[in-house]
Amino acid sequence: DGGITQSPKYLFRKEGQNVTLSCEQNLNHDAMYWYRQDPGQGLRLIYYSQIVNDFQKGDIAEGYSVSREKKESFPLTVTSAQKNPTAFYLCASSMGSPSNQPQHFGDGTRLSIL
Amino acid sequence: GESVGLHLPTLSVQEGDNSIINCAYSNSASDYFIWYKQESGKGPQFIIDIRSNMDKRQGQRVTVLLNKTVKHLSLQIAATQPGDSAVYFCAEIAGGFKTIFGAGTRLFVKA
Repeated sequence: DGGITQSPKYLFRKEGQNVTLSCEQNLNHDAMYWYRQDPGQGLRLIYYSQIVNDFQKGDIAEGYSVSREKKESFPLTVTSAQKNPTAFYLCASSMGSPSNQPQHFGDGTRLSIL
Repeated sequence: GESVGLHLPTLSVQEGDNSIINCAYSNSASDYFIWYKQESGKGPQFIIDIRSNMDKRQGQRVTVLLNKTVKHLSLQIAATQPGDSAVYFCAEIAGGFKTIFGAGTRLFVKA
């Protein structure tokens, strides 16, 4: 089955620690995205990548970093600079621009502070 | 349970009734709209989409209505079933790679 796999499902971060969330897709999509979801709010864009080796900051990129070395993979690192990292993180992908087709989402990673 | 969806507007319907979920969008330049369904602990699933050159689009048991005059989008679910219980949210796209997502409405279906 084609889809998006996020791991781990649950992640705990200690103060001062960087953690990396994995996102892999086998949909052959060019574009990939990371969103943060907080209770009572709409999804907010952290970073997106239109193509391999290229990525752009979204609305809330501070304290996060990404890489796009392979088409299938778009890992997100939550750095110690992100002071409020507790949230549900969603990865998505699309064949091209989201103005042409809907994004497909993974099942998320829930990050909590120890 | 998961904390996604706390403090959201809630709609409670009886099994078998029709549901109507509303969304006010923000950008008059948005030309593509999507409804997603999100179950607890899961990622959003695509339900139906509509472009700004249409007023209505029907899928299986779902209909989306678009009123550009008042920037309003609605999702109608016919014969609502317990499996329809979830958070539903709309998304608007005005071009480029940025999508604006609504916070969502929680739908409860009473058996």
